[in-house]
Amino acid sequence: DTGVSQNPRHKITKRGQNVTFRCDPISEHNRLYWYRQTLGQGPEFLTYFQNEAQLEKSRLLSDRFSAERPKGSFSTLEIQRTEQGDSAMYLCATSDRGSTDTQYFGPGTRLTVL
Amino acid sequence: QKEVEQNSGPLSVPEGAIASLNCTYSDRGSQSFFWYRQYSGKSPELIMFIYSNGDKEDGRFTAQLNKASQYVSLLIRDSQPSDSATYLCAVNPSSGSARQLTFGSGTQLTVLP
Repeated sequence: DTGVSQNPRHKITKRGQNVTFRCDPISEHNRLYWYRQTLGQGPEFLTYFQNEAQLEKSRLLSDRFSAERPKGSFSTLEIQRTEQGDSAMYLCATSDRGSTDTQYFGPGTRLTVL
Repeated sequence: QKEVEQNSGPLSVPEGAIASLNCTYSDRGSQSFFWYRQYSGKSPELIMFIYSNGDKEDGRFTAQLNKASQYVSLLIRDSQPSDSATYLCAVNPSSGSARQLTFGSGTQLTVLP
């Protein structure tokens, strides 16, 4: 257990529905990342927060995706109008300000879109 | 060309042997390199990181970095069946405000009892 928690752990939804995932970081970590991983691939970067500021977004993050970190603590990732191609493991990782910037992953949220 | 390349495997080694996992990267300015282990259905777990050319040892694991060849490897000594997992190589980019990791597709390792 890295200390990063994610909820829910599993989500099954029907195409077209909206879903929201939550990530609670290690308390002293000010950097938070969202990644997406599909079967047989490594995680792919989606977006990055430093404190409450969203500093970078991947081209993978279409306009159906939005992420927030309102108080610089927990973060949410919302997917609107889900598509079957959104089925994946959504991973949250956090790191501190130190030079190593080592990222620790939460357990992930497995999304299945029917 | 993918930014981070790994042999997908599967790689099989007998228990007690040395497993050697390799990774190459395309961004010559990359600064830091990470190895994660991922069991099926679980999230990546950090094994170790390396920044400087040469070897870094941590228990049964040794990471090796050669920036001139843009090559990083992980050696697992005295391999155990519990080491059977997918090993992900990850690289920090050389520029940009974010320090997001770029991952390879992973190498699947099986340690045979």
